[in-house]
Amino acid sequence: NAGVTQTPKFQVLKTGQSMTLQCAQDMNHNSMYWYRQDPGMGLRLIYYSASEGTTDKGEVPNGYNVSRLNKREFSLRLESAAPSQTSVYFCASTNGDSVQPQHFGDGTRLSIL
Amino acid sequence: GENVEQHPSTLSVQEGDSAVIKCTYSDSASNYFPWYKQELGKRPQLIIDIRSNVGEKKDQRIAVTLNKTAKHFSLHITETQPEDSAVYFCAASRRGGNKLTFGTGTQLKVEL
Repeated sequence: NAGVTQTPKFQVLKTGQSMTLQCAQDMNHNSMYWYRQDPGMGLRLIYYSASEGTTDKGEVPNGYNVSRLNKREFSLRLESAAPSQTSVYFCASTNGDSVQPQHFGDGTRLSIL
Repeated sequence: GENVEQHPSTLSVQEGDSAVIKCTYSDSASNYFPWYKQELGKRPQLIIDIRSNVGEKKDQRIAVTLNKTAKHFSLHITETQPEDSAVYFCAASRRGGNKLTFGTGTQLKVEL
């Protein structure tokens, strides 16, 4: 039982390049989330998917797009990477009940030069 | 939307002492308050959570208290150990919602 799996673990991009961060969960959870973590800023929600087929903006969605490919997978895309998007990205999932904890992946460390 | 404030941002204690981290929230409809621990370079992991129908919850050396009237909740760690050194995040979720709003984190350092 792997929980939440993120790929890749590390990535370096040049400004203007695009890439997709992958996330998959094997807990049959309905809801999935993408966060970014920056020093002193905590975890900020980028996008989330409350259930398969739906996606919604979070606190900091600009510059990102998401796809809920199926119940297991939720991807985050940077179309034209900018240095301000250098961060650690975490994917999380939960069964969708507002009083259930979220389970996090190991994160993707992304540097944009 | 919900706003969660967390204090202090850094906390240094001697091994064996107690540590207290406090959070306030703005949305009176919030009813779920988890705490996460994040070790350096690792994922955040849930250590304890509390729901609005209780005022206190304990799990060995960790306890969380909730004051819904004042809209604040706190994490208490007793008999601190070096392995308690980490960043701790509080969060809040509103009834019927499915988003967590996180505090900005507390760096706890337990010194020998």
